[in-house]
Amino acid sequence: AQKITQTQPGMFVQEKEAVTLDCTYDTSDPSYGLFWYKQPSSGEMIFLIYQGSYDQQNATEGRYSLNFQKARKSANLVISASQLGDSAMYFCAMRPSGSARQLTFGSGTQLTVLP
Amino acid sequence: DVKVTQSSRYLVKRTGEKVFLECVQDMDHENMFWYRQDPGLGLRLIYFSYDVKMKEKGDIPEGYSVSREKKERFSLILESASTNQTSMYLCASSPASGTLIGQPQHFGDGTRLSIL
Repeated sequence: AQKITQTQPGMFVQEKEAVTLDCTYDTSDPSYGLFWYKQPSSGEMIFLIYQGSYDQQNATEGRYSLNFQKARKSANLVISASQLGDSAMYFCAMRPSGSARQLTFGSGTQLTVLP
Repeated sequence: DVKVTQSSRYLVKRTGEKVFLECVQDMDHENMFWYRQDPGLGLRLIYFSYDVKMKEKGDIPEGYSVSREKKERFSLILESASTNQTSMYLCASSPASGTLIGQPQHFGDGTRLSIL
């Protein structure tokens, strides 16, 4: 069984600064994918970034990057140059390879960007 | 652009009622999912479907059923609503899996359901 742990229920960051949201995972599958989603207060889930377990480089998407440390089983999200619109709930999720279709989600981190 | 539409953003029902939550996607996706979101628990999978008329239980199927008569539509049914089913419900879809491990799920805007 897979498990995702997000240990930071809430985080604060000053506008224009960088912030790291932690995610650790547990799986016995040799191949898997890791995802980060953003959920603003309006409720929709927005896909941000993906990292495959065999990818050689850390994933980046604009201001988002993923600090992937396979040996430590961590996949932290780094947001650079925070903006007020980044205030939201952030979820880490994992999908193993093979026929599995569903994602396993962590409990989320509520990020608040301060002006 | 992928569009997943949930029929209601807010819904208030009474205990014992039969409740239907509808979800429609326009991307011809094979997989569809229903999640429940509660504070501190993240998203938990209730049911998913990988084809018309096919369904599989997720982590918390008790008290729920689903229906998928057409590829684009996936319904979540609360047979006899109870107060502990008050929650945020999210529908998602994705293309068929295979080697597409990196394929993200696309979510609707969610339905905030209150059972009184």
